Amino acid sequence: NAGVTQTPKFQVLKTGQSMTLQCAQDMNHNSMYWYRQDPGMGLRLIYYSASEGTTDKGEVPNGYNVSRLNKREFSLRLESAAPSQTSVYFCASSELGTGTGELFFGEGSRLTVL
Amino acid sequence: TQLLEQSPQFLSIQEGENLTVYCNSSSVFSSLQWYRQEPGEGPVLLVTVVTGGEVKKLKRLTFQFGDARKDSSLHITAAQPGDTGLYLCASKEVVSDSWGKLQFGAGTQVVVTP
Repeated sequence: NAGVTQTPKFQVLKTGQSMTLQCAQDMNHNSMYWYRQDPGMGLRLIYYSASEGTTDKGEVPNGYNVSRLNKREFSLRLESAAPSQTSVYFCASSELGTGTGELFFGEGSRLTVL
Repeated sequence: TQLLEQSPQFLSIQEGENLTVYCNSSSVFSSLQWYRQEPGEGPVLLVTVVTGGEVKKLKRLTFQFGDARKDSSLHITAAQPGDTGLYLCASKEVVSDSWGKLQFGAGTQVVVTP
């Protein structure tokens, strides 16, 4: 039961480097999300994709870009990493339009920017 | 954007004790979810409450939704070490008639020692 799979799980970057976090879900969900989690700040939404072909900014989009490659995959790109982007990143998915809006999360990608 | 305040931020108790964590907002929740996150994992949904005054039980966990739908609590009876984790509340922010996205509180870190 894969659910939501994120890669890589760990990454260390130098300031100014770029990288892409990959996310794939096998639950046929329409909506996908990228969150970052920092101590004492809970989960903050970076970008989301309500359905295939659409993406929108969340609460903290600056410094990030996303691509909804197909229904299964949603990637997050850091073009020029900064130390402030050191965080744990979570990808999640959910059914579109459901009353509960339950999110299914991946295991997270821990990113350190030096 | 609705702000969710969780309290306390940290709770450390002995096995067998009871505990309560709280989630509050100045705005009315359309619905509220509680998630638990264990170290190195993504959050997992525990429950969704929708109706004011609603009480839901999940084994030793009791969830209450305030009558005015501005607050919620999670009570754990006879806590066990397996209850250790970060407890997050999340509310649905309506984006369109058929879709919403979740906003999370900062979480309560619960540690249950044997």
